[in-house]
Amino acid sequence: GENVEQHPSTLSVQEGDSAVIKCTYSDSASNYFPWYKQELGKGPQLIIDIRSNVGEKKDQRIAVTLNKTAKHFSLHITETQPEDSAVYFCAAGAAGNKLTFGGGTRVLVKP
Amino acid sequence: NAGVTQTPKFQVLKTGQSMTLQCAQDMNHEYMSWYRQDPGMGLRLIHYSVGAGITDQGEVPNGYNVSRSTTEDFPLRLLSAAPSQTSVYFCASSFGGVNTEAFFGQGTRLTVV
Repeated sequence: GENVEQHPSTLSVQEGDSAVIKCTYSDSASNYFPWYKQELGKGPQLIIDIRSNVGEKKDQRIAVTLNKTAKHFSLHITETQPEDSAVYFCAAGAAGNKLTFGGGTRVLVKP
Repeated sequence: NAGVTQTPKFQVLKTGQSMTLQCAQDMNHEYMSWYRQDPGMGLRLIHYSVGAGITDQGEVPNGYNVSRSTTEDFPLRLLSAAPSQTSVYFCASSFGGVNTEAFFGQGTRLTVV
């Protein structure tokens, strides 16, 4: 089955700096790569996703890059703000398969 | 529009007790799933359903049962609770399955003593 590794497990950044979270996956059949943000006491919420036919996708301060050859994808958050503090999960999956999540990254943005 | 609703929010069980975690969605989604979240281990899939009357096992199904008699509801049953089942449980639904956005409930924090 699919295995998703996520690094780092914790990330502390100064407000205004950038944050980068990296994930690797094992199943070359995976073609859908979402990122979820989980705030304290809440369920995860989708913030951005990318499919295998695209190498990069951007939405305001958030961007995701995908390298299918190397089987890794990354989340980039620019100009971080205190409200970006949360736990972030990457995941990988394909239609007909199960969605597998990484272990999560706790991001702390210091004012 | 309520989205995905889970009840209860918190529960304490004694070892050996059984209970049902409720999950309901009002978005007419065919695909529903249950995850457990443990520290450092992300979200692990317990069971999922691609439509009413159809369920299948995920990564960690042992000790749990599910059924899907309607599109809206997907209850998770713990047959005989064990301390290893102490976790936060999330229900999710999506319109088109694995490769479409999943909408999560607020979670149920379960403690088994």
